[in-house]
Amino acid sequence: DSGVTQTPKHLITATGQRVTLRCSPRSGDLSVYWYQQSLDQGLQFLIQYYNGEERAKGNILERFSAQQFPDLHSELNLSSLELGDSALYFCASSVSLAGANTGELFFGEGSRLTVL
Amino acid sequence: EDQVTQSPEALRLQEGESSSLNCSYTVSGLRGLFWYRQDPGKGPEFLFTLYSAGEEKEKERLKATLTKKESFLHITAPKPEDSATYLCAVNKIIFGKGTRLHILP
Repeated sequence: DSGVTQTPKHLITATGQRVTLRCSPRSGDLSVYWYQQSLDQGLQFLIQYYNGEERAKGNILERFSAQQFPDLHSELNLSSLELGDSALYFCASSVSLAGANTGELFFGEGSRLTVL
Repeated sequence: EDQVTQSPEALRLQEGESSSLNCSYTVSGLRGLFWYRQDPGKGPEFLFTLYSAGEEKEKERLKATLTKKESFLHITAPKPEDSATYLCAVNKIIFGKGTRLHILP
């Protein structure tokens, strides 16, 4: 058990809909990272938050947004869903200084999104 | 652009047959190379971090090494429970597509 909690574990929805994925980081970790994993693309970095502020952005679509709340949990919002958005979405947390990309990531079990 | 390439994509070995997985990287400044293990349907699990060329780390049957352009994950006398996908990442956030390792009993 990594200590990172993600909900829901599975989600099935239709094209055009909007979903919210939730992540609670390990106790004491200030940084939260979101990744998308599909069979052909591997783990794609979406976005990082540190102590409530956006710190780094990867290949995140404009239809996707995220935020980190004062209690450090994070939510990833996916809207206007398309078939191609079907994937595993992982949240990870780490103890890291602001702006530093050192130290390992602790991953949650993921949220499997299926868009029909 | 920072990039990570892992090879082979998949590898099947007999139990006890040692081998190596490769991770080649191009990055403007290396601030750490990470190895993770991922089991099906699970999140990646941290194995090693390497920071400078020449560094080596070991854990049970696994040994990771680092040069200025690539890293190797050596697996010695593997067991079926070592079957998993092994992921390499640089600077924490850039991941390769992984090597799917299958150890046959």
